[in-house]
Amino acid sequence: AQKITQTQPGMFVQEKEAVTLDCTYDTSDQSYGLFWYKQPSSGEMIFLIYQGSYDEQNATEGRYSLNFQKARKSANLVISASQLGDSAMYFCAMREPLSLGNEKLTFGTGTRLTIIP
Amino acid sequence: DAMVIQNPRYQVTQFGKPVTLSCSQTLNHNVMYWYQQKSSQAPKLLFHYYDKDFNNEADTPDNFQSRRPNTSFCFLDIRSPGLGDAAMYLCATSRDWGTLLNEQFFGPGTRLTVL
Repeated sequence: AQKITQTQPGMFVQEKEAVTLDCTYDTSDQSYGLFWYKQPSSGEMIFLIYQGSYDEQNATEGRYSLNFQKARKSANLVISASQLGDSAMYFCAMREPLSLGNEKLTFGTGTRLTIIP
Repeated sequence: DAMVIQNPRYQVTQFGKPVTLSCSQTLNHNVMYWYQQKSSQAPKLLFHYYDKDFNNEADTPDNFQSRRPNTSFCFLDIRSPGLGDAAMYLCATSRDWGTLLNEQFFGPGTRLTVL
């Protein structure tokens, strides 16, 4: 079974600073996908960024980038120039194959990010 | 805009009184998922549909059932809610499996309170 670990339950960051949210994973699969989702207090899960196991380049989406270190099995999310609206819960997740044509997402326990004005 | 819609956003029920949560999607996605998320925890998959094929997680209690009458709609039925079933219930969709990204699109969730 796959496992996702997020070791930072909470983080406080000054507005406009960059922040790195840690995520490590454990899998025996060669092909896998890693996701980051943002969950504001309203509850909706918002997709931020994706990294495939065979992607050689680190994924980037606007202010979000994923620092993918395959040998270390880490997929840290980097948010540049943080904004007050970035305050939310952040989940790292991995796509886990169950059987042929059947898969699910396994989530980490999340990091609550608070941006300080 | 294409999206995943959940109704109601807030649901209050009494201990033991059946309740149904609704999810609809305009994305025409093949796969629909139901997650349970308790306070300060990660979402936990309850079950999912690939088209009409139902897939139940091994540790999902029998108290939880689901129906998918067509591509657009999926329902979560809790037959006899207990206090421990109070949680946020998230519905999600994805286009298909086997694609590289296969991002899951989530609805806003239904927060269930059991009195």
